[in-house]
Amino acid sequence: AQTVTQSQPEMSVQEAETVTLSCTYDTSESDYYLFWYKQPPSRQMILVIRQEAYKQQNATENRFSVNFQKAAKSFSLKISDSQLGDAAMYFCAYREQTSGSRLTFGEGTQLTVNP
Amino acid sequence: NAGVTQTPKFRVLKTGQSMTLLCAQDMNHEYMYWYRQDPGMGLRLIHYSVGEGTTAKGEVPDGYNVSRLKKQNFLLGLESAAPSQTSVYFCASSYDGPYNEQFFGPGTRLTVL
Repeated sequence: AQTVTQSQPEMSVQEAETVTLSCTYDTSESDYYLFWYKQPPSRQMILVIRQEAYKQQNATENRFSVNFQKAAKSFSLKISDSQLGDAAMYFCAYREQTSGSRLTFGEGTQLTVNP
Repeated sequence: NAGVTQTPKFRVLKTGQSMTLLCAQDMNHEYMYWYRQDPGMGLRLIHYSVGEGTTAKGEVPDGYNVSRLKKQNFLLGLESAAPSQTSVYFCASSYDGPYNEQFFGPGTRLTVL
């Protein structure tokens, strides 16, 4: 079974600064997908960014980018120019190719943005 | 377009009572999922469905049953609630294929006394 580990339960960053959230995963598959979801206090799960494992190029979405290291099974999220609205719980997730394309989530990292 | 909706939003049960959580989506998605979220543990998959009339077990299926009689609805049942089932429950749906985003409902907070 796949596992996803987020080793930082809490992180903080100053507004306008850059922060990196870590995620590692374990799998025997060669083809899969990785996601970062954001959960603000409203509890709504919001997709931030996704990465296909067969693509070497790191995904970017505006201020959000990933550092995908397939050999190391590492998938970190970098948030640039942090804003107060970025404060949330962030979940890393692994999605398998088969078995209903299920998501396996990490434990989450609570991000605080200080003004 | 309502997206994914969940009913109810909050519920308090006594141990041994039963209830059904309803998830509905209007995006014509094939796949639907039920997760539970507990502090410090992320979201864990309870059951899922890859199409109308199909269901399958996820990571933590014990104590729950599901049904997908209509494509747009996915029901999660608790036959005899236990305090260990106190949690926030999320429903999600997506088109088939692992690249596609899973869209989540707003969640149901369930407390079992």
